[in-house]
Amino acid sequence: GAVVSQHPSWVICKSGTSVKIECRSLDFQATTMFWYRQFPKQSLMLMATSNEGSKATYEQGVEKDKFLINHASLTLSTLTVTSAHPEDSSFYICSARGGDRVILRQETQYFGPGTRLLVL
Amino acid sequence: TQLLEQSPQFLSIQEGENLTVYCNSSSVFSSLQWYRQEPGEGPVLLVTVVTGGEVKKLKRLTFQFGDARKDSSLHITAAQTGDTGLYLCAGVGPSSGSARQLTFGSGTQLTVLP
Repeated sequence: GAVVSQHPSWVICKSGTSVKIECRSLDFQATTMFWYRQFPKQSLMLMATSNEGSKATYEQGVEKDKFLINHASLTLSTLTVTSAHPEDSSFYICSARGGDRVILRQETQYFGPGTRLLVL
Repeated sequence: TQLLEQSPQFLSIQEGENLTVYCNSSSVFSSLQWYRQEPGEGPVLLVTVVTGGEVKKLKRLTFQFGDARKDSSLHITAAQTGDTGLYLCAGVGPSSGSARQLTFGSGTQLTVLP
């Protein structure tokens, strides 16, 4: 099946620094990528949707200047947490959807393994 | 407000018992998916149900999509310790909103004790 990777798998940083997380689709072209945030024992909350070559669409309540998303190619999207603070500590998960895998009425998003961010 | 509500939120049972997890919404979805997620990993797709009333079986797991495509259930027979994890339902839509976006349910944390 399709593979989506994330790097790094975990990161610890000091408050005030910026952290970049990469999401790559390894064997298909991802026309759309999604970024989610998940707190312990809770569900996934969609942060933003990005289409290759265009600006990301952010969900209500998500600061676009704090969570910078770049989807510059069909296989790579990055999420940069700028000036990270302890409350940004969370599990960040990306998913990718390829145009050639879309089936009418069936949507398949392939999820990455997640990135654990701890801000001290 | 979560569009998809799952119940129960937490469930702890003994190995060999049966269980059912419910996923309910007031919105209609074009399809609904169930995922299982283990700690520190991304969610893994178990099944997609598309047609109202559809029933799909995956070994000991039985998934049902409501006739009105607003709700779904996951039934596990003779649970095993390996079934432990966070179960998430996710609707595609709803039909009145973004047509191709996944909306995740609130999640059910299942613990199967030996």
